[in-house]
Amino acid sequence: KAGVTQTPRYLIKTRGQQVTLSCSPISGHRSVSWYQQTPGQGLQFLFEYFSETQRNKGNFPGRFSGRQFSNSRSEMNVSTLELGDSALYLCASSLGQGTDLNEKLFFGSGTQLSVL
Amino acid sequence: AQSVSQHNHHVILSEAASLELGCNYSYGGTVNLFWYVQYPGQHLQLLLKYFSGDPLVKGIKGFEAEFIKSKFSFNLRKPSVQWSDTAEYFCAVKGDGSYQLTFGKGTKLSVIP
Repeated sequence: KAGVTQTPRYLIKTRGQQVTLSCSPISGHRSVSWYQQTPGQGLQFLFEYFSETQRNKGNFPGRFSGRQFSNSRSEMNVSTLELGDSALYLCASSLGQGTDLNEKLFFGSGTQLSVL
Repeated sequence: AQSVSQHNHHVILSEAASLELGCNYSYGGTVNLFWYVQYPGQHLQLLLKYFSGDPLVKGIKGFEAEFIKSKFSFNLRKPSVQWSDTAEYFCAVKGDGSYQLTFGKGTKLSVIP
């Protein structure tokens, strides 16, 4: 069974540009969550999607957005990039049983975004 | 709102030393608690989790964690660390009614041979 796939693996952009990251969840998983990982800040929750609907959103500015397609694949977009957006962006998938406490997240390897 | 606090940013140990990484959470209801590990160059993977029942949970590679409800803590332990345990460790909490897994800032563990 293939794991969570994130593309691209590395990305270099300049300030002011926009970027789109892609995530393909494990087959059968309907929930996709996105996290931003930076040194010293750990993982900060961006948003979570289930069946093409955003169910939860973290405390990030509106420049960060996402969507989910009918096949559960998800994209996140960051517009007007800032230097501080440089980070590892992680995607995680799960079955999506909602608030089931026993649900396990499976993480991808992430997309390393560098903003120059 | 749920939150997690990890006490140590960077821990350096010699091989065979004992390990305890602190984790405290904040949430008013029922929680599920996790420890995830990220080895250098690898993706995050689940080390262990507490769902209910026995507060002492055992995970992979000899790790264990104890849930102390009265202290809102979920500390990670290992009696004897190995060089291969060098990694970053993240504590996480998910509260009932939440779609979100909240992580701590992580503790980097360096094990010296």
